[in-house]
Amino acid sequence: GAGVSQTPSNKVTEKGKYVELRCDPISGHTALYWYRQSLGQGPEFLIYFQGTGAADDSGLPNDRFFAVRPEGSVSTLKIQRTERGDSAVYLCASSTRGQGSTNTGELFFGEGSRLTVL
Amino acid sequence: GENVEQHPSTLSVQEGDSAVIKCTYSDSASNYFPWYKQELGKRPQLIIDIRSNVGEKKDQRIAVTLNKTAKHFSLHITETQPEDSAVYFCAASIPGSARQLTFGSGTQLTVLP
Repeated sequence: GAGVSQTPSNKVTEKGKYVELRCDPISGHTALYWYRQSLGQGPEFLIYFQGTGAADDSGLPNDRFFAVRPEGSVSTLKIQRTERGDSAVYLCASSTRGQGSTNTGELFFGEGSRLTVL
Repeated sequence: GENVEQHPSTLSVQEGDSAVIKCTYSDSASNYFPWYKQELGKRPQLIIDIRSNVGEKKDQRIAVTLNKTAKHFSLHITETQPEDSAVYFCAASIPGSARQLTFGSGTQLTVLP
């Protein structure tokens, strides 16, 4: 597709379960970002990939959160032992430009994955 | 790190009137300031952006102004229409920062017909 694709669009899980959220960025975009958006708030940075490597994971709230991008395209955000406070919309974005660029490129967002932890 | 404050949190205007949303940022190194529009249940979409080497940018009914000295920037929408109703987010970016964007908390704009 032409845009950033995220699956699932909605995920309801029970406290303590493991969850994976997938992001398929725009073809050719080397930079990929995960943000978390709580109700009534702006997106909050979680992690940034440049190619296959996590260039900055300082936004991940704790070690229950992990993300991979093994082939430099699709990324998966993994949440272990989910808690009710993890409930939010998880947004993925991609860009042609990233760290070290002197001109920040536009971020293209996906529709998000709404996670509800019961 | 960068901190972005946005206000008002909600704004209602009559169709045809103008709307202004304001943001302040904390890090003087920030040099890129985009505005995103997010309709209910949809993805944020870039509507306009400005870089620190200019003070104003306009695109049809929307404009953004930047005051680097005061570290604030504003979004202006003229001749508002019902389809302008959405949540608007400002953001700021520090060059070379892997975080890319720090967002404000959003403004819910409602245009009343």
